[in-house]
Amino acid sequence: EPEVTQTPSHQVTQMGQEVILRCVPISNHLYFYWYRQILGQKVEFLVSFYNNEISEKSEIFDDQFSVERPDGSNFTLKIRSTKLEDSAMYFCASSETAQYFGPGTRLTVT
Amino acid sequence: KNEVEQSPQNLTAQEGEFITINCSYSVGISALHWLQQHPGGGIVSLFMLSSGKKKHGRLIATINIQEKHSSLHITASHPRDSAVYICAVRSWTSGSRLTFGEGTQLTVNP
Repeated sequence: EPEVTQTPSHQVTQMGQEVILRCVPISNHLYFYWYRQILGQKVEFLVSFYNNEISEKSEIFDDQFSVERPDGSNFTLKIRSTKLEDSAMYFCASSETAQYFGPGTRLTVT
Repeated sequence: KNEVEQSPQNLTAQEGEFITINCSYSVGISALHWLQQHPGGGIVSLFMLSSGKKKHGRLIATINIQEKHSSLHITASHPRDSAVYICAVRSWTSGSRLTFGEGTQLTVNP
């Protein structure tokens, strides 16, 4: 069964560093999403992407964040200068109708 | 007030019991998702509903659009059902993004 994959599974970085989280959505899906979950809190929407552009973003998704689909398969989330409060689990999802989630990347900013 | 409220927050059951988790929402929606999150953090899509009822194995999900309420039922519960169950909605006014509830932590004891 096709699935969404994410790499790395765990990323540790120092405050101020740039990180890139990678996702491979399900191949025939057209809509892509990033969500995050801070430890102990609910999942929050960051951004959605369709037709090679951002279709929606939340107030969390500020200028420090960017998304890209650099080729036909990958979908990336970049955080330019990480802060301690960016520590969270980041989930990629893709959809045709229902959304399917990747296993997540745990980002730890020290 | 959260747009999506789940109850109970925590639920402990004995193996074999029938379990119900409830979700109420305050906005007009085009779809409601039930998701399962295991201790490792990964999220699995269980159901997407826009009306009526769906069944998959021992899981049943129902939705009442007029009452803005959905339930997830687990029949003949098993310790492997122990997880966090999350309700998430796609509202008419917020594109394709999902808004999540806080989750219900289910523990099924043998």
